[in-house]
Amino acid sequence: GAGVSQSPRYKVAKRGQDVALRCDPISGHVSLFWYQQALGQGPEFLTYFQNEAQLDKSGLPSDRFFAERPEGSVSTLKIQRTQQEDSAVYLCASSLVAHSYGYTFGSGTRLTVV
Amino acid sequence: QKEVEQNSGPLSVPEGAIASLNCTYSDRGSQSFFWYRQYSGKSPELIMSIYSNGDKEDGRFTAQLNKASQYVSLLIRDSQPSDSATYLCAALSQGGSEKLVFGKGTKLTVNP
Repeated sequence: GAGVSQSPRYKVAKRGQDVALRCDPISGHVSLFWYQQALGQGPEFLTYFQNEAQLDKSGLPSDRFFAERPEGSVSTLKIQRTQQEDSAVYLCASSLVAHSYGYTFGSGTRLTVV
Repeated sequence: QKEVEQNSGPLSVPEGAIASLNCTYSDRGSQSFFWYRQYSGKSPELIMSIYSNGDKEDGRFTAQLNKASQYVSLLIRDSQPSDSATYLCAALSQGGSEKLVFGKGTKLTVNP
């Protein structure tokens, strides 16, 4: 596709429910990133993939968060046993080369935990 | 904790004026810096990148970097109402990670 595609655009989850957020990067982009953006804040790094390898997951806030990119293209961010503090916009970004010169963000998934 | 600090504003300027947005960063090893524009309810959009000390101009936008002072700025000349958005400053983290560290953003309003 022409851009980074994320789905769903909106997700409402009951507290304790598991959710899966999908990111389809720009074709051929090596690097893929997940960020979390709370209301009124800048994006905060969650995790980074280079192809299928997860090279940095230092930003994942707890072991309830898990990300994968098994074939080096589409990525899924999974949140288990969602909590209210998980409510945020989850942004995916991709870039062509391993070293970031500024990447392209998707439209994001707005997660609301009730 | 490596941080990027921005004045959260809001910053309000009249149409046609120069808008000046500022940012400081704590990681002296950072070499690459970015400005993103984020309209309300939309995702961030890259508008400028800067890697060397000095100024970099692109149309109405000028990014300025001073590594000694750990300071980055963005000037928007001839501001337009369509420039009204939140501007996010970001620094590329060093140490092998490819992550960007973002500030909280400065909300800019350009009044017609």
